[in-house]
Amino acid sequence: QSVLTQPPSVSGAPGQRVTISCTGSSSNIGADYNVYWYQHLPGTAPKLLIYDNSNRPSGVPDRFSGSKSGTSASLAITGLQAEDEGDYYCQSYDSSLSGYVFGTGTKVTVL
Amino acid sequence: EVQVLESGGDLVQPGGSLRLSCAASGFTFSSYAMSWVRQAPGKGLEWVSTIHGGGGRTSYADSVKGRFTISRENSKNTLYLQMNSLRVEDTAVYHCAKMAGSTVTSWFFNSWGQGTLVTVSS
Repeated sequence: QSVLTQPPSVSGAPGQRVTISCTGSSSNIGADYNVYWYQHLPGTAPKLLIYDNSNRPSGVPDRFSGSKSGTSASLAITGLQAEDEGDYYCQSYDSSLSGYVFGTGTKVTVL
Repeated sequence: EVQVLESGGDLVQPGGSLRLSCAASGFTFSSYAMSWVRQAPGKGLEWVSTIHGGGGRTSYADSVKGRFTISRENSKNTLYLQMNSLRVEDTAVYHCAKMAGSTVTSWFFNSWGQGTLVTVSS
């Protein structure tokens, strides 16, 4: 069972902005561990989108941005494009579990 | 270019064993921690296990502790996952991932393979 909670789905029209929340607790995000975001498109390997809460690896468009506050984090996608359809996961470290934890996952649909 | 390629997935009966392999290229393999992450059908991603670059330190999710063993052969740029006492709930696509980050608690998965399917069923 995932310890990081995300909304099951979000949707938006092309060009719109959507946000995905990731809610944790005092043993993970709230313990000041960093948050990471991954994109998993159908039939492909997962891809790192955001590291250390708000940094983008080279090659990731600046349409993707991340933030963190307290026990939660969020991923924003601006200028939504059809190619953004897929599943998105947050990830952090949990001190109670002594391991890495993923969010429940959010399916992004472009209307 | 960093590449990781998993192999070894198969259909196995409950209680059986299987060994997965992950061939890595494009980076200095021994310098990086490596992990296995799985995704059961219709479910999300679940971290399984991590091994440090030198191979001396390992960690496991509670769901596989005592049944799975992660190892690596740095001379062959290969990561392994030995899975014993397999259960139906271990059915999943198993991804190999290269780790990055400055400390263990800030490590993350910065390169992934497409995965290999393990099906546990009678």
